[in-house]
Amino acid sequence: QKEVEQNSGPLSVPEGAIASLNCTYSDRGSQSFFWYRQYSGKSPELIMFIYSNGDKEDGRFTAQLNKASQYVSLLIRDSQPSDSATYLCAVTPSGYSTLTFGKGTMLLVSP
Amino acid sequence: GAVVSQHPSWVICKSGTSVKIECRSLDFQATTMFWYRQFPKQSLMLMATSNEGSKATYEQGVEKDKFLINHASLTLSTLTVTSAHPEDSSFYICSASSLVGGGYNEQFFGPGTRLTVL
Repeated sequence: QKEVEQNSGPLSVPEGAIASLNCTYSDRGSQSFFWYRQYSGKSPELIMFIYSNGDKEDGRFTAQLNKASQYVSLLIRDSQPSDSATYLCAVTPSGYSTLTFGKGTMLLVSP
Repeated sequence: GAVVSQHPSWVICKSGTSVKIECRSLDFQATTMFWYRQFPKQSLMLMATSNEGSKATYEQGVEKDKFLINHASLTLSTLTVTSAHPEDSSFYICSASSLVGGGYNEQFFGPGTRLTVL
């Protein structure tokens, strides 16, 4: 069973702070790692993807991947109330083109 | 990014009827399309994977005779929920995949279809 684990939250941070979202996965051979944002009642939208160990930055977002620890994280700098949503971690298992999603972490950014 | 549409965005039907949901990739040709179902406060659960011109691959526990998938072209896939029952009420989301750099597949999600079966 390929599993992706996330803390369900909610994670509450004040506006302007850094939000740190974490995800672990069970399949050591996983190739691709994605972070999606999902607002209530809406479908997921892709924030970032990462394939190589290390950090990848895109605007206020930084994805971090550590394959040895089977861990991927998403940092959101200067958090805004509009960032309040559920963040889904998704992993492509080895040998597959499908995505396995975690249950998501709810982020609440207070003004 | 690529655009994927779904129709209808919401549907209410009576128990026992069939409902068809369309998924279209508007500005690219999708090699693969995926159908997900999401219950309230749950994550997305993959139902099936479909490639144009071939039979869909269903995930364990998903009844292929109940959830009929047709992938007639590189831009259109349909999901038909046959003889729908209240327990089929859910948020159905499709995604379409195309290759990005390095040969990795990126999935682009449609806006979803809210199905309510009375």
